[in-house]
Parts: sequence; structure tokens; C-alpha cells
Amino acid sequence: DAGVIQSPRHEVTEMGQEVTLRCKPISGHDYLFWYRQTMMRGLELLIYFNNNVPIDDSGMPEDRFSAKMPNASFSTLKIQPSEPRDSAVYFCASSPGHMGSPLHFGNGTRLTVT
Amino acid sequence: GQQVMQIPQYQHVQEGEDFTTYCNSSTTLSNIQWYKQRPGGHPVFLIQLVKSGEVKKQKRLTFQFGEAKKNSSLHITATQTTDVGTYFCAGRPSGSARQLTFGSGTQLTVLP
Repeated sequence: DAGVIQSPRHEVTEMGQEVTLRCKPISGHDYLFWYRQTMMRGLELLIYFNNNVPIDDSGMPEDRFSAKMPNASFSTLKIQPSEPRDSAVYFCASSPGHMGSPLHFGNGTRLTVT
Repeated sequence: GQQVMQIPQYQHVQEGEDFTTYCNSSTTLSNIQWYKQRPGGHPVFLIQLVKSGEVKKQKRLTFQFGEAKKNSSLHITATQTTDVGTYFCAGRPSGSARQLTFGSGTQLTVLP
């Protein structure tokens, strides 16, 4: 298995632009998570899906952030409009179908907003 | 809300020395997981502890879960340069459907 696949690996954009991050979870995993990692705030859970349905989006910073999972093999995290404080590494992770399962992280997308 | 604190934040050791990181939760946990993140990499799952007082070993790594299921530790014996990275604990509150809360991590540097 190729593991969790994220794209792009790096994204540099100007403030105000729309940014879309993509994730392909491990086949057969029922849970998909989006995390944001910064030096100041560590690893923060933004949103997670179970069987393509968003379960908890309480970690999404504000309305500029949105996430979708149109099918079991694809998810997007969109920021519109982007701001410099959104600069971070965004990780997607997936896990099998029970709550205690370990998370399998992708390589992350390093986002820089200038 | 639930908080998971980790100490120390940074640790520099000489190769061959031991290393310990501690994780404390403000609430009782149903389980705790440990992850390692190499510099520039992504978190990689190491182990999960579920039972009160549980101790698990992986080669030079020893993981413990406290009796009250509110704290945990990771101990590395005779560190090697390959142990460099940030070690995170992550816990899930008991009786809750909430997802894992990650600690702030301990960044380990091993000096050759």
C-alpha cells in the first residue's frame, strides 16, 4: 500500500488566494483526519470524517476553511481567502474502522502564505 | 477541554545516554498512543497502551501507562543518533467519542 498520499508537498501563495490541499487515504480506512502543525500550537485536529461524512469540524479555525470528502478515496481542504497566519504544515491521516486505531499520516503539505 | 501536557519540550543527550519524556492528561484516558516524527517528516505510530499500569517494550523503548490512566512515559535506553526526532503522546478521553488530543511533543537531539 502506498500509504496516505497528499498533494502538493509544498505550496507558496499570496495572501487572498485560494488554496486547495488534497488527500488520498489508505484504501479501506473509514476515518480521515486533517491536522495542522505549527511551532506555536503543535498538532491541531481541524476536522475528521467517518465514511465520508464530516463528524467534528470544531477545530476548523474559521469560515475561510472548508473540507470535503466526496468519496472514500479523496478529500480536500480549502482555504479561501488565505492569510499569512495560515502558514503551517497540513497533515492528512487515515485510520481503520475503530476508535482506538492508530493514525497513518501522509507526508504533509507545507503551506506558505506571503 | 482536555489538555495533554508533555515534558520536557526539548532534550539534548549524548549518544548512549538514556532519555525519558512524560505525558500528563487533565482527564482520564481510555488509551494513549505514542508517535515519532523525524525532522521534516510526518508522525509515525509507535505503540498504543490501553490498560492501567501497562508496560510495553520495543527494543530500547519502554512505554508505561499510569495506574490512574492520566499519565504515560516513554523511556529510551542508550540513545542512538537514529532516535533523533520529536516524540508525541496522544490520548483519547474515557467515555468520549472525541478524537485523539496530541501532546506538545518532546524534541530529542542526540549528540554523537
